[in-house]
Amino acid sequence: ILNVEQSPQSLHVQEGDSTNFTCSFPSSNFYALHWYRWETAKSPEALFVMTLNGDEKKKGRISATLNTKEGYSYLYIKGSQPEDSATYLCASPHYGGSQGNLIFGKGTKLSVKP
Amino acid sequence: KAGVTQTPRYLIKTRGQQVTLSCSPISGHRSVSWYQQTPGQGLQFLFEYFSETQRNKGNFPGRFSGRQFSNSRSEMNVSTLELGDSALYLCASSPRTGEGADTQYFGPGTRLTVL
Repeated sequence: ILNVEQSPQSLHVQEGDSTNFTCSFPSSNFYALHWYRWETAKSPEALFVMTLNGDEKKKGRISATLNTKEGYSYLYIKGSQPEDSATYLCASPHYGGSQGNLIFGKGTKLSVKP
Repeated sequence: KAGVTQTPRYLIKTRGQQVTLSCSPISGHRSVSWYQQTPGQGLQFLFEYFSETQRNKGNFPGRFSGRQFSNSRSEMNVSTLELGDSALYLCASSPRTGEGADTQYFGPGTRLTVL
């Protein structure tokens, strides 16, 4: 069974700090890695889908890297703002499954203090 | 384009009852997936439908079922509700099929409370 792990579980930073967190997944039979941001009382919002080893994607102050050989992805937030406060989830499709069979990590809850 | 919509947003039921939740995907999206979110377990996959067929099912008891209609709208049903079924149920739609790299677009969820 595919197991996706995220660390840390929670993170408290000050406005302006840069931060990063980790998603670990089995490196064998890798297909894709998804990152989502989930703000309280809202729907999870897709950030990135990554498929290639060494891939790096960026969206504003948020970027992500992927290492499929060792089975991890990092999400970086540069100059955190209070509006970045959310739970960040990573997910990977179950091997052999369609895109509808995402296995999610339990998330990293980020709180940014003004 | 309108996003994924789910109805109702909140629901309170008692043990033993059954419940039906509805999901309307983004127009043109053919794949609909359902997830359960509980504080301890995080987001867990329930099932996925494409072209009215269930393609994948997660590790949930048979009390959880679903279906998809020809217009891609989907419903999920939980029979004989238990206290542990209290959760946020999220629906997600995706435009393509067979691609694990496709983005899923989530609805706001239905918060089910079982008393």
